[in-house]
Amino acid sequence: DADVTQTPRNRITKTGKRIMLECSQTKGHDRMYWYRQDPGLGLRLIYYSFDVKDINKGEISDGYSVSRQAQAKFSLSLESAIPNQTALYFCATSDSSKTRAREQFFGPGTRLTVL
Amino acid sequence: AQSVTQPDIHITVSEGASLELRCNYSYGATPYLFWYVQSPGQGLQLLLKYFSGDTLVQGIKGFEAEFKRSQSSFNLRKPSVHWSDAAEYFCAFYSSASKIIFGSGTRLSIRP
Repeated sequence: DADVTQTPRNRITKTGKRIMLECSQTKGHDRMYWYRQDPGLGLRLIYYSFDVKDINKGEISDGYSVSRQAQAKFSLSLESAIPNQTALYFCATSDSSKTRAREQFFGPGTRLTVL
Repeated sequence: AQSVTQPDIHITVSEGASLELRCNYSYGATPYLFWYVQSPGQGLQLLLKYFSGDTLVQGIKGFEAEFKRSQSSFNLRKPSVHWSDAAEYFCAFYSSASKIIFGSGTRLSIRP
């Protein structure tokens, strides 16, 4: 099955460490997204990418960076992790060719804890 | 401002009882609307979506939702809940620039 995968699924790290979360998809979608989920706040958009050369900041991009290595891969980095970046992180994809779809498909999430 | 409001943070219903989860949106046009479900330890799964046409939409797992333009609402319903429906439910809409705006979620617990 075409899928969205995230690695690692769980990660515990210390303040100041550099962390990379990876997302891969086999759906053939051109658009990819990174969200973080915090209790009571729903999902908030960190970064999104419409194709390999088009990367955009979301509403909470400070402290994060991304890399779109290929159409199927989109990585999120925390250059110097801090405790308030402890959250559940989701990658999502969508297909711009389906103009009426507007649907995003989500990976299983990465639970990140920064001590 | 574009936003989604889910006024109920946590709801508990008895197994077999009916369910309605509320959702109101703020947007300048008719949005594309979604309900997603997140089971414990899982990602988000799309339950149903509304783009246009019939304002009552059917989804997976026996869920349905009704779009009411006059109330800016898109409430989710199920006639009889099962223990496996315990999860967190997110209402969302597609705004612009390929962005989906999510509500803060409603956690559903099922009483045996």
